[in-house]
Amino acid sequence: NAGVMQNPRHLVRRRGQEARLRCSPMKGHSHVYWYRQLPEEGLKFMVYLQKENIIDESGMPKERFSAEFPKEGPSILRIQQVVRGDSAAYFCASSRLGLGEKLFFGSGTQLSVL
Amino acid sequence: DAKTTQPNSMESNEEEPVHLPCNHSTISGTDYIHWYRQLPSQGPEYVIHGLTSNVNNRMASLAIAEDRKSSTLILHRATLRDAAVYYCILRDAGGTSYGKLTFGQGTILTVHP
Repeated sequence: NAGVMQNPRHLVRRRGQEARLRCSPMKGHSHVYWYRQLPEEGLKFMVYLQKENIIDESGMPKERFSAEFPKEGPSILRIQQVVRGDSAAYFCASSRLGLGEKLFFGSGTQLSVL
Repeated sequence: DAKTTQPNSMESNEEEPVHLPCNHSTISGTDYIHWYRQLPSQGPEYVIHGLTSNVNNRMASLAIAEDRKSSTLILHRATLRDAAVYYCILRDAGGTSYGKLTFGQGTILTVHP
């Protein structure tokens, strides 16, 4: 049973470009979470999604960031017009149920903005 | 989620036990104590969790104080692969829990050969 798969593992973008980060949850998991880890900082919650629904996006920056988890396919975290401050490791996690379940994390996508 | 306090770093020798402390004096009655660890260049990994009683699994043991204001993660025989940042996190068992974890700075564990 494959774990949480994130791709790409590393992503380089120039300022102003768009970044698309993908996350395939574990088989049977319908809850997806995105976290961001800025350099020398801790992990911060960004958004919680179930299939086709955004449940909690309280940690998402108000502009340029969006997330989706369609009925078919992986969850996507999209960052438009990237800036240098977006450089970070982005982790996706999934769980089978929403409440109290342990989370399974992917290996992350390291975004570097030049 | 309530706040936890952990030492910034700890060191251990290989094959020796490691006790990682966590203070959570403002814990509420419905808060579970969760531990995750993050190896270099990896995502966090679940280690163990508990509510009131001590817990054991194949990775570690969790000792919870009687007043629940502190807990200790115990690695019985540290290996080099246990070198990681260890996070102690409180999760409300109520309806708002889901997966919104609040990570602190954690404890950086260094294991010496």
